[in-house]
Order: sequence, then structure tokens, then C-alpha cells
Amino acid sequence: DVKVTQSSRYLVKRTGEKVFLECVQDMDHENMFWYRQDPGLGLRLIYFSYDVKMKEKGDIPEGYSVSREKKERFSLILESASTNQTSMYLCASSTQFYEQYFGPGTRLTVT
Amino acid sequence: GEDVEQSLFLSVREGDSSVINCTYTDSSSTYLYWYKQEPGAGLQLLTYIFSNMDMKQDQRLTVLLNKKDKHLSLRIADTQTGDSAIYFCAERGDYKLSFGAGTTVTVRA
Repeated sequence: DVKVTQSSRYLVKRTGEKVFLECVQDMDHENMFWYRQDPGLGLRLIYFSYDVKMKEKGDIPEGYSVSREKKERFSLILESASTNQTSMYLCASSTQFYEQYFGPGTRLTVT
Repeated sequence: GEDVEQSLFLSVREGDSSVINCTYTDSSSTYLYWYKQEPGAGLQLLTYIFSNMDMKQDQRLTVLLNKKDKHLSLRIADTQTGDSAIYFCAERGDYKLSFGAGTTVTVRA
């Protein structure tokens, strides 16, 4: 079974803190994705990566950055967390851009 | 650009059929997907349909695609309490999936 794991299920951070969300997949997938999920808005793509050290902006990259130093690991970084970044963050991986496999999500609260 | 729309809520009685509807705008989409998200979990791929198909059946699930109207539906037969979840439709674009807002299905006894 494909397994995508995320470092935390719940996270509480203060405004202005630097936040790291980690995602690891064990299926040797080339592509990895970060989404945020908000009620009524569905999933919105923040960034994706199609290879090690490669990254592309999604629909809402502002306020975020990413890092992919190893194929199995994709990190989402909030350089200076703000309250409007309180959300559910979902990581996914795939061999192609469809049929994505999702992690369980990290619910981030910024106070 | 892509824009996928779904109704937000559906309430259904246990044992009845559920029908979740979705409209999309990108006529070049080759694949359309249904994902399920149970409480506290990530998304799980339920089924998908290729754009040259009208219908796909998989056990209790039936997907209908009307390309002319850009309308996709998911029918769940004999809905069970374990079907309570959020259901997302998604269309495949050039390099990404575009998701609808999700339909929360509540199954009542």
C-alpha cells in the first residue's frame, strides 16, 4: 500500500513563527503536492514538485515556500505564520499528476 | 481555467441511493475523479472515469459522465453509515487536479 505520512496531525503556532510541515512518501513517486483545505473552498494547490530540487507554484503560493532535497520528502514552509494560514494542510504524491495519494493532513492553527 | 462546482451538503436515509453531482468547465479534461474524505483523514481515491466513457460501475458506485453538459455524478447504492464523508470531484488539467469544494454526505438512520 502507498503510504504518505505527515509529521504532525495537529499543530498550534504563534503569529510570526516559522513553521515546517513535513511529508514523506514510501512509493518512490516523482511528484509531490501540498494543498490547503478550507470549508467551502475545497482543496487549493499551494506548490508541487516533479523531481528532487524542482518546484512549481500552484494556485496560492503566497506566504509559503517548499523544499525537496530527497525524493521521498517534501516540506512546506511558512516563513512567518499568519492567522489566515490557519487551515488543514494535505500532502499528496503520485507517479503522474493524477491518481494522487494523500496523507492524513495537518491541522494548523495560528494564534 | 478550471472551475469545478458541487453542492455542499446531502442528507440521505440509510439504505437509499445517494447521488452527488458535479459540474466542470474544462472540456479538454481527460480524466475525472471522485475522492472520499472520512472525518480526520486525507482523501482516498474512490473511482475515476475517462472522458470517452459515459458510465462506469464499481460495486455500489456508479459514475455517469455527460460531456456535452460537462456534468459528472456519483451514485452510491444502498447507502450505509460508513458512507458518511466528504466527496470531492476533480478534473485533470495539464499538470494538476482541480477539486470541487466537496459535498458533505450525512447518512441518517
